[in-house]
Amino acid sequence: GAVVSQHPSRVICKSGTSVKIECRSLDFQATTMFWYRQFPKQSLMLMATSNEGSKATYEQGVEKDKFLINHASLTLSTLTVTSAHPEDSSFYICSASKRGAKNIQYFGAGTRLSVL
Amino acid sequence: AQKITQTQPGMFVQEKEAVTLDCTYDTSDPSYGLFWYKQPSSGEMIFLIYQGSYDQQNATEGRYSLNFQKARKSANLVISASQLGDSAMYFCAMRALSGNTGKLIFGQGTTLQVKP
Repeated sequence: GAVVSQHPSRVICKSGTSVKIECRSLDFQATTMFWYRQFPKQSLMLMATSNEGSKATYEQGVEKDKFLINHASLTLSTLTVTSAHPEDSSFYICSASKRGAKNIQYFGAGTRLSVL
Repeated sequence: AQKITQTQPGMFVQEKEAVTLDCTYDTSDPSYGLFWYKQPSSGEMIFLIYQGSYDQQNATEGRYSLNFQKARKSANLVISASQLGDSAMYFCAMRALSGNTGKLIFGQGTTLQVKP
């Protein structure tokens, strides 16, 4: 398998503040990482694809200026929720794609964001 | 367009029995990969099993096997000898292997509860 670490696991913040979430591939290099959002008892919704050394590709309807993604190295991608509001409260989870014939995506443990 | 359908919102199984979780898919891509992930209440997404569209044999990983029927476009997950720790949400996912963006398309998920 492969290990992906996501930090923090839970964060509570005040409305208007920014929150940074880190996603690290611990034992492999990941040129591509993905960021998802998940509402309770629902499926994962892809927000953006993060490519090392280039700009992220955002899915339709996802605000680029709201959700800033940086993929500065082959093992680290960050998602910053800027000027968070209560409607941004959700479960955010990242994955990293391990190169190979199957290109399996391995997921972090997720971050539960609560905006007061 | 690609689509994954999981028609069972919830399933119950008695401990030690086998259970099948259904998954059908739709794609026009000739080459694709099918995945199953497990999401326990803690939120992490655990990779279980992979099936390539050109694989001759059905994939197996321990107690997990994938009943791949290409003509029917189905990729059902079979869990044998269910354990209490198998209680979780299960997601079927698909990725096109051609023109690879690496994106996964997820189904709606099936919640499995294993009864003692």
